[in-house]
Amino acid sequence: QMQLVQSGPEVKEPGTSVTVSCKTSGFIFTSSAVQWVRQTRGQRLEWVGWTVIGTGNTNNAQNFQGRVMITRDMSTSTVYMKLSSLRLDDTAVYYCAAAIYTYGYAGQWSWGQGTQITVSS
Amino acid sequence: SYELTQSPSVSVSPGQTARITCSGDALPRQYAYWYQQKPGQAPILVMYKDRERPSGIPERFSGSNSGTTVTLTISGVQAEDEADYYCHSADSSGSYWVFGGGTRLTVL
Repeated sequence: QMQLVQSGPEVKEPGTSVTVSCKTSGFIFTSSAVQWVRQTRGQRLEWVGWTVIGTGNTNNAQNFQGRVMITRDMSTSTVYMKLSSLRLDDTAVYYCAAAIYTYGYAGQWSWGQGTQITVSS
Repeated sequence: SYELTQSPSVSVSPGQTARITCSGDALPRQYAYWYQQKPGQAPILVMYKDRERPSGIPERFSGSNSGTTVTLTISGVQAEDEADYYCHSADSSGSYWVFGGGTRLTVL
């Protein structure tokens, strides 16, 4: 069974960076894809970006171009999302989600518990 | 950029059928995924690859695809089904993903 455990909440000042980790287990990491999603209070889900673990390819949503970096550590089956140049409106819950990814299609997306990132001066 | 369009809200009485739709140009080529989200909770996958139901999801949940529109159907709606529902899919290249705006299901 897929399990995703995210790092804890963070409070950051505007202009700084934050890194959220997503440690995975229970599936073949190299055959998966991991995406990052955020949700501001009471608002819709917003796709941030993703990585295909086997190839290392990543893509980010246009809204985050140049500010998001998604990396993976194959030795610990962990994926990281670094968001830079933080703004007040980056305050949100950030989720990671993983799915087995084969032949260009994803299976069932399993989600982490979410990480609250608060940007405040 | 690619968009998925959902109706903002659907209201039904208990026992009735709720249909939640999601429209997007790439849906004939890309699978859709559906999530249920209740306040303060992480999203839960209720349908994947258009019409596949994850284990543990009640049989009253079903999915279909009719080209550029996918539909999540909840038959015999129960009070516990009241939640926000989001569709999720990729653009035609399969490289970029997007969520629909969400549909609030209200059980009257």
